[in-house]
Amino acid sequence: DVKVTQSSRYLVKRTGEKVFLECVQDMDHENMFWYRQDPGLGLRLIYFSYDVKMKEKGDIPEGYSVSREKKERFSLILESASTNQTSMYLCASRAQGRWGNEQFFGPGTRLTVL
Amino acid sequence: SQQGEEDPQALSIQEGENATMNCSYKTSINNLQWYRQNSGRGLVHLILIRSNEREKHSGRLRVTLDTSKKSSSLLITASRAADTASYFCAPVNAGGTSYGKLTFGQGTILTVHP
Repeated sequence: DVKVTQSSRYLVKRTGEKVFLECVQDMDHENMFWYRQDPGLGLRLIYFSYDVKMKEKGDIPEGYSVSREKKERFSLILESASTNQTSMYLCASRAQGRWGNEQFFGPGTRLTVL
Repeated sequence: SQQGEEDPQALSIQEGENATMNCSYKTSINNLQWYRQNSGRGLVHLILIRSNEREKHSGRLRVTLDTSKKSSSLLITASRAADTASYFCAPVNAGGTSYGKLTFGQGTILTVHP
């Protein structure tokens, strides 16, 4: 059974803290994504990695950075958390090759920044 | 990238009935994907239809695509209470810097009453 796991389901942090969200996939997928999902705004791409140590900015990268040191792991970093980063964060992975490959999502991390 | 617009926003039916939801998009696509999200199983890929296909089936799901009208529909036949979820369409552009990323709108909230 394919699996994408995220380090936490719920997280509460304070403004200014550095926050790490971890995502691990066991499907040997090349591509990994970080999205955030907000009511009224839908799903938006933060960062994308097409292979180890490779990353590309998505639509809303400001305030975030990422790390992909190993193929199975993709980390999202909030350098200095702010209240407008309170959101549901979703990680996904996809096999390389065709745009049409489906994306497999993790369960999500609901982050609250106080 | 572009976002699909799902319609209706909410749909309430009885178990056993069929459910139809629609998706419209603005620019040409490589493929269109449908996803389901509920609290139990998170965000899950349902079906993908490519731009050169008109109809596709998967179990109780039937998806149509009309590229001339830039629209797609998802039909769930003989609905079950377990089908209660939010449904999203994701039109996928190919090439450039889109990386085949997904962009969801607000989705259609389907409620199936036992």
